[in-house]
Amino acid sequence: SQQGEEDPQALSIQEGENATMNCSYKTSINNLQWYRQNSGRGLVHLILIRSNEREKHSGRLRVTLDTSKKSSSLLITASRAADTASYFCATEAGNTPLVFGKGTRLSVIA
Amino acid sequence: NAGVTQTPKFQVLKTGQSMTLQCAQDMNHEYMSWYRQDPGMGLRLIHYSVGAGITDQGEVPNGYNVSRSTTEDFPLRLLSAAPSQTSVYFCASRGTGRTGELFFGEGSRLTVL
Repeated sequence: SQQGEEDPQALSIQEGENATMNCSYKTSINNLQWYRQNSGRGLVHLILIRSNEREKHSGRLRVTLDTSKKSSSLLITASRAADTASYFCATEAGNTPLVFGKGTRLSVIA
Repeated sequence: NAGVTQTPKFQVLKTGQSMTLQCAQDMNHEYMSWYRQDPGMGLRLIHYSVGAGITDQGEVPNGYNVSRSTTEDFPLRLLSAAPSQTSVYFCASRGTGRTGELFFGEGSRLTVL
């Protein structure tokens, strides 16, 4: 069963706007990861945040983690048409393999 | 350095046929795994391996077999294909250690008629 659940399922924004996606999970985790998937392609790792971290940045990406609420958010600033993709959160807990959520479909309209 | 290579990219099978999806990585990764992706279901783990000679079941293992005779290769076998196995299959790997980012192949789209 899925550990992480992304919200919203789909998001449509204009180029230049910020996009925020959320992920909620159920159990304690070692780390939480975000991946991007372009249509018809494999997933690409974006960022990993450990359970003792609260915020990480990578370029235009900002990820936060709130372990008390069991939630994470991915913010993409100044979005571009090339950011159009599906975004997945994945959680790692104990010795269990990475478990993925169902994803958020982001459309950035030029 | 090719990363994770999956073959074939597309395959059509008839119900009851068997086939093997191939996965190879050239990064000397210990950990390899197979996921299936279905619309609205996200990715679900089928089988995984933490090293040569070691495999374990994931969330949806029924109808699939795996083996890990070398570090580089992790084939996924469908013994008797069913329409419910129509899906996109992804192989992924990562280096030593039990945590860290996964490197994905480009996927294999399988249709079972």
